[in-house]
Amino acid sequence: AQTVTQSQPEMSVQEAETVTLSCTYDTSESDYYLFWYKQPPSRQMILVIRQEAYKQQNATENRFSVNFQKAAKSFSLKISDSQLGDAAMYFCAYSSQGGSEKLVFGKGTKLTVNP
Amino acid sequence: DAGITQSPRHKVTETGTPVTLRCHQTENHRYMYWYRQDPGHGLRLIHYSYGVKDTDKGEVSDGYSVSRSKTEDFLLTLESATSSQTSVYFCAISDLGDPSYEQYFGPGTRLTVT
Repeated sequence: AQTVTQSQPEMSVQEAETVTLSCTYDTSESDYYLFWYKQPPSRQMILVIRQEAYKQQNATENRFSVNFQKAAKSFSLKISDSQLGDAAMYFCAYSSQGGSEKLVFGKGTKLTVNP
Repeated sequence: DAGITQSPRHKVTETGTPVTLRCHQTENHRYMYWYRQDPGHGLRLIHYSYGVKDTDKGEVSDGYSVSRSKTEDFLLTLESATSSQTSVYFCAISDLGDPSYEQYFGPGTRLTVT
């Protein structure tokens, strides 16, 4: 079974600075998808960024980018120019290619943004 | 935003009572999921459905049952609620036709079992 590990229960960053959240995963599959979800205090789960394992190029969405290291099974999220609105729980998640597309989540990292 | 609603949004119930949570979608997506979220555990899959009347167990299915008689509705039932089932429950949907494999989440239901 696949597992996802987020080793940082909490992180903090100063506004306008850059922060990196770590995620590692374990799988024997070669094709899969990885996601970062954001959960603000409203509790709504919001997709931040996704990465297809077959793509070597790291995904980028505005201020959010990932460092995907397939061989190391590492998938970190970098947030640049942090904003107060980035404060939230961040969850790393894994999904097998095709099939039922079940998500396996890490335990989350709580990000605090200091003004 | 994907059209997903959950009802009720909050519920307090007593140990031993049956509880049904409803997830309703307007996207005609094939797959539907129930997750629970607990502090220190992230989200864990309870059950999922890959079509009408087609369901399967997830990681933490004990004490839960599901039903899907229509594409748009996915029900989660706690036959006899226990305090360990106090949690926030999320419904999610996805579709094979979406190349991103993104799951869209509902707003969540906070269930308290006293």
